[in-house]
Amino acid sequence: GDSVTQMEGPVTLSEEAFLTINCTYTATGYPSLFWYVQYPGEGLQLLLKATKADDKGSNKGFEATYRKETTSFHLEKGSVQVSDSAVYFCALSVFGNQFYFGTGTSLTVIP
Amino acid sequence: GAGVSQSPSNKVTEKGKDVELRCDPISGHTALYWYRQSLGQGLEFLIYFQGNSAPDKSGLPSDRFSAERTGGSVSTLTIQRTQQEDSAVYLCASSLVQSSYNEQFFGPGTRLTVL
Repeated sequence: GDSVTQMEGPVTLSEEAFLTINCTYTATGYPSLFWYVQYPGEGLQLLLKATKADDKGSNKGFEATYRKETTSFHLEKGSVQVSDSAVYFCALSVFGNQFYFGTGTSLTVIP
Repeated sequence: GAGVSQSPSNKVTEKGKDVELRCDPISGHTALYWYRQSLGQGLEFLIYFQGNSAPDKSGLPSDRFSAERTGGSVSTLTIQRTQQEDSAVYLCASSLVQSSYNEQFFGPGTRLTVL
């Protein structure tokens, strides 16, 4: 079945460090891929998405590239800030009726 | 505009009681999803509604769980004879239409604690 596996946390980085959160997927069709973020005390919100192979989603300095050959959608940011501290979820959907989420990766950025 | 709202925000109940959780999606959104987020787990899909079509109930963990959506808008998730393993945060999300690439908008969740 369809599923997402993402890097386990928690991750702790110093401000301005480089961030990578790994995400790989298994899908029976051609999924769309997403990263959602949950800031402390807030609901999940979409961070970025990619709907076909080789697409790059980007937002707020974060990027992720849809790699069909490696079935991956790793999240990266060149220089993290304290305000990026949150839980990040990778997700996929093939038909829009079901979305499959990873277990979430907690990121803490320290000044 | 108003986002997805859920009520109550917290619910504490005793084992064996029934509970109802409510979700108000964004106006005009035809697709509505329920998820369960247990401690240390990802989001577990429960049920999906699209317009007036029959819901996709494939994620419901047992027949104690049911959900309805009245008038294509408000949805209620009902858990009968609650068990301690039902304790979790229940999230509702809506999107404009059913699509694999449409953004889902999430509510703040209902934290259910079964004693």
